[in-house]
Amino acid sequence: GAGVSQSPSNKVTEKGKDVELRCDPISGHTALYWYRQSLGQGLEFLIYFQGNSAPDKSGLPSDRFSAERTGGSVSTLTIQRTQQEDSAVYLCASSFLFEKQYFGPGTRLTVT
Amino acid sequence: GQQVMQIPQYQHVQEGEDFTTYCNSSTTLSNIQWYKQRPGGHPVFLIQLVKSGEVKKQKRLTFQFGEAKKNSSLHITATQTTDVGTYFCAGAGGGSQGNLIFGKGTKLSVKP
Repeated sequence: GAGVSQSPSNKVTEKGKDVELRCDPISGHTALYWYRQSLGQGLEFLIYFQGNSAPDKSGLPSDRFSAERTGGSVSTLTIQRTQQEDSAVYLCASSFLFEKQYFGPGTRLTVT
Repeated sequence: GQQVMQIPQYQHVQEGEDFTTYCNSSTTLSNIQWYKQRPGGHPVFLIQLVKSGEVKKQKRLTFQFGEAKKNSSLHITATQTTDVGTYFCAGAGGGSQGNLIFGKGTKLSVKP
């Protein structure tokens, strides 16, 4: 089947605006992860969903960031009142339980 | 909290030379995974190590998991230009936290 898909691939927004980033995981995968990667940097964990359990939100950098996963499948990462420091590539990954993660192509967010 | 340190941050080698990146965790890991991210791409799973002292090989790549399950290494023999990219280790602490803790990665450049 298809891999992890993310949309949009690129998003340019003005400072202060809200943005929504979407992730479609691989069908049947129980876990879904969001990461942030700044240019040339490592992966910063944001949030993790596993089945019907409460999400692990320990990586969210501020209360402007939130995410939901509907029906155990599609996830949306929302950033409110975007700031320039939010500019980065946002990567989504899915896995079956705690097995290897499959990453999507990412959404490049630019806040002007 | 759990930390995964990875060294070196950068490595420049001549084609044909060997390359090694090291990963150290502050806590005992249930397993460790390695990912490769090509320039402009997203991380792609390479391998998972689970057992203490485990060694796995993939062609010119050799992966080791330490006896104490707190460190790991990736060794590439006779590098090629196709090996260029950033190599990330990611440790799973187990327990209630299901997310992987990624190292900051080692960026490998290979001069032909």
